[in-house]
Amino acid sequence: DTEVTQTPKHLVMGMTNKKSLKCEQHMGHRAMYWYKQKAKKPPELMFVYSYEKLSINESVPSRFSPECPNSSLLNLHLHALQPEDSALYLCASSLRRGTSGSGQETQYFGPGTRLLVL
Amino acid sequence: AQKVTQAQTEISVVEKEDVTLDCVYETRDTTYYLFWYKQPPSGELVFLIRRNSFDEQNEISGRYSWNFQKSTSSFNFTITASQVVDSAVYFCALSANGGNNRKLIWGLGTSLAVNP
Repeated sequence: DTEVTQTPKHLVMGMTNKKSLKCEQHMGHRAMYWYKQKAKKPPELMFVYSYEKLSINESVPSRFSPECPNSSLLNLHLHALQPEDSALYLCASSLRRGTSGSGQETQYFGPGTRLLVL
Repeated sequence: AQKVTQAQTEISVVEKEDVTLDCVYETRDTTYYLFWYKQPPSGELVFLIRRNSFDEQNEISGRYSWNFQKSTSSFNFTITASQVVDSAVYFCALSANGGNNRKLIWGLGTSLAVNP
């Protein structure tokens, strides 16, 4: 079962709202990712968690705050977003075998959350 | 530098035609991995294939086939007898062990429209 789930599927929020995106996987994967994807563009990596620790932050603005409560869950907390943050937010997970040779891991993606910031 | 080029931005075919999506990559690493993902209009990125740099065997999975040629740094994807359900954006991606091996380097994608 290669399923990553994301909620909500759609989200509309104002610039002063606080909301959270949720991602869950039960494949035993220990690496989880957040991506942002604008229309007609490839995904852009935002954050990577490895063994529940933040290992990569791609210089993402602080209005995006990731959280990994356990090995199966990944959240993205949103606060004071701008209209240009409207996009498809994708979560992914991969197996994460140790510290070497992990570039070959296949990332499995969830269906995404379509976010509109008004 | 690592780079993935998908020169075809959009392709339109009629159902049952064969179609090849091109992917050319650049990397100085000797160990690397190539991926193809499909993104239908629903938005989910669906994993199709992973190939490592030491395995140049072509692969066939049903109507899908992949041609990996290190000599030309290409990893092309062919859909045989295309169907309307194949309509999607297809991304080729590269991951190498040098540098930050957590990142996928993505091509810009090829939007495939299969018309009935």
